[in-house]
Amino acid sequence: KAGVTQTPRYLIKTRGQQVTLSCSPISGHRSVSWYQQTPGQGLQFLFEYFSETQRNKGNFPGRFSGRQFSNSRSEMNVSTLELGDSALYLCASSSGARFTETQYFGPGTRLLVL
Amino acid sequence: ILNVEQSPQSLHVQEGDSTNFTCSFPSSNFYALHWYRWETAKSPEALFVMTLNGDEKKKGRISATLNTKEGYSYLYIKGSQPEDSATYLCAFIRNSGGSNYKLTFGKGTLLTVNP
Repeated sequence: KAGVTQTPRYLIKTRGQQVTLSCSPISGHRSVSWYQQTPGQGLQFLFEYFSETQRNKGNFPGRFSGRQFSNSRSEMNVSTLELGDSALYLCASSSGARFTETQYFGPGTRLLVL
Repeated sequence: ILNVEQSPQSLHVQEGDSTNFTCSFPSSNFYALHWYRWETAKSPEALFVMTLNGDEKKKGRISATLNTKEGYSYLYIKGSQPEDSATYLCAFIRNSGGSNYKLTFGKGTLLTVNP
């Protein structure tokens, strides 16, 4: 089975712009979660989608949003980028919702905001 | 703010040593605990998903235990090998009411195994 894929792998944006990241889960997985990794805050949970519905959300501002399509692919959008949004963004997929199943992580998208 | 603490922050051991780390979390509203292994320049790799008090899980030389009543989990590595060098992360999932679940990661334990 192909693993979780994320595109793009690297991205450079400027403050005020918006960005959309994509995540394709393992075939058959219906849950996709998104995470942000920064040196200062470590790994933080953004949100989880299951069957096209956002099921859980972390403590991030409304500038961070996401969606999931009927094929389980997910996108994350960050609007009005700030310097502090520079981070590694990881997504993970699993077969079940609510974190009771093993999560498989993608390689991540590294975002740099200038 | 949830405090998920991992100790120690870093650890250097010799090849062949056995070692263990701790993940401490709030004991209320426990739902699940995950352990991950994260090597530099790679993606986090799931080790264990633990949901029941008293759970013990094993994968090769790595094992984990869970005590939800006192709010801690131990990860053990028997006979450490250089390829075990990585950051070991725990993630605590709590039920924050109804169908809402919150996931919080610890800062990790960085393990370096010297040959």
